[in-house]
Amino acid sequence: AQKVTQAQTEISVVEKEDVTLDCVYETRDTTYYLFWYKQPPSGELVFLIRRNSFDEQNEISGRYSWNFQKSTSSFNFTITASQVVDSAVYFCALYNAGNMLTFGGGTRLMVKP
Amino acid sequence: EAQVTQNPRYLITVTGKKLTVTCSQNMNHEYMSWYRQDPGLGLRQIYYSMNVEVTDKGDVPEGYKVSRKEKRNFPLILESPSPNQTSLYFCASRERTAMNTEAFFGQGTRLTVV
Repeated sequence: AQKVTQAQTEISVVEKEDVTLDCVYETRDTTYYLFWYKQPPSGELVFLIRRNSFDEQNEISGRYSWNFQKSTSSFNFTITASQVVDSAVYFCALYNAGNMLTFGGGTRLMVKP
Repeated sequence: EAQVTQNPRYLITVTGKKLTVTCSQNMNHEYMSWYRQDPGLGLRQIYYSMNVEVTDKGDVPEGYKVSRKEKRNFPLILESPSPNQTSLYFCASRERTAMNTEAFFGQGTRLTVV
């Protein structure tokens, strides 16, 4: 069985602060993919990034960056200089060869002006 | 435009009254699935389908049925809804053989069972 844990259920920051959302996963598979999705107040799920288990390079996309560490089974997401529009629920997810996409419980990020 | 379409977006129903939530995708994806989202639990998979006429249970299948008669459609059926099925439901599709592709999600259906 696989599992994704997002220990932070809710984070509140003030605009322009940096914030890191934690994601820890468990899987017995050697090949898997990790994803982050954003769910803004409007409710839809927006794909942000995927990372395969063989690629531990960190990735940066504008104000977003992701840190994948296989040794600690973590795939953390950092928003630099947060903005009010970043307020959303963020989900980390794990996909394996068994065709199961398992989500974490989500982290609600509130960015205050 | 590639999309997954769910209907209805919002539904309030009474206990025991059968309902169907439709899901359709226009990307010719083999793989489709249904999730429910509940506070603190994230999204949990209800059922999935690897192709036409092939369906399997996910983590929380009790109280739900699905069918996959055509590749593009994957309706979710609640034969006798109960209040504990009040939730936000998402349909998703992806290419079955490609692990490195993300799932495309519908806009969600908010169901309330009273």
